[in-house]
Amino acid sequence: DAGVTQSPTHLIKTRGQQVTLRCSPKSGHDTVSWYQQALGQGPQFIFQYYEEEERQRGNFPDRFSGHQFPNYSSELNVNALLLGDSALYLCATYPFFGGKNYEQYFGPGTRLTVT
Amino acid sequence: EDQVTQSPEALRLQEGESSSLNCSYTVSGLRGLFWYRQDPGKGPEFLFTLYSAGEEKEKERLKATLTKKESFLHITAPKPEDSATYLCAVQPERNTGNQFYFGTGTSLTVIP
Repeated sequence: DAGVTQSPTHLIKTRGQQVTLRCSPKSGHDTVSWYQQALGQGPQFIFQYYEEEERQRGNFPDRFSGHQFPNYSSELNVNALLLGDSALYLCATYPFFGGKNYEQYFGPGTRLTVT
Repeated sequence: EDQVTQSPEALRLQEGESSSLNCSYTVSGLRGLFWYRQDPGKGPEFLFTLYSAGEEKEKERLKATLTKKESFLHITAPKPEDSATYLCAVQPERNTGNQFYFGTGTSLTVIP
């Protein structure tokens, strides 16, 4: 059983560009959350998707947007990249019914570097 | 303001040398406190959840405890494979979703 997968592994972008990160949930999981983890910091919650809708959002600007597809996979889009957006972006999933959000499974992350 | 502070930032132990990691928190009502382990280049892995003061959970060489203001992760006779960053997170009572507040973690190195 494949766990949570994320692509790409690493990405280098220039300020002002746009980026799309992808997440495939663990089998049987339908709820996807995205986190930003800056170097030396703990993860910060960006938003959560369930049933193809954004259900909850953390304190992030509108430049951060997302999408969830019918197969439960998800994308995180960041527009007008800033140097401060450089971080590890983590995807975490769990089953909405019968699951516990704190027992969410994290993917390995996408390391984004903005130059 | 909800806040989570972990100490020390880094800890080096000899194999077999027991110690404790600290997580102090300020939150307006605690729904739950959670410990995760994060290996380099990987996402966090869930370890424990604690709900009320006095509660304890154990898993192999790890034991987590909770008071009204802090939590401790006790590591007994650690092995090199316990080397990782240990993250603490809290969920405020008012929040039922995924709005967890993480600390910055303690980087543990166990030397053979």
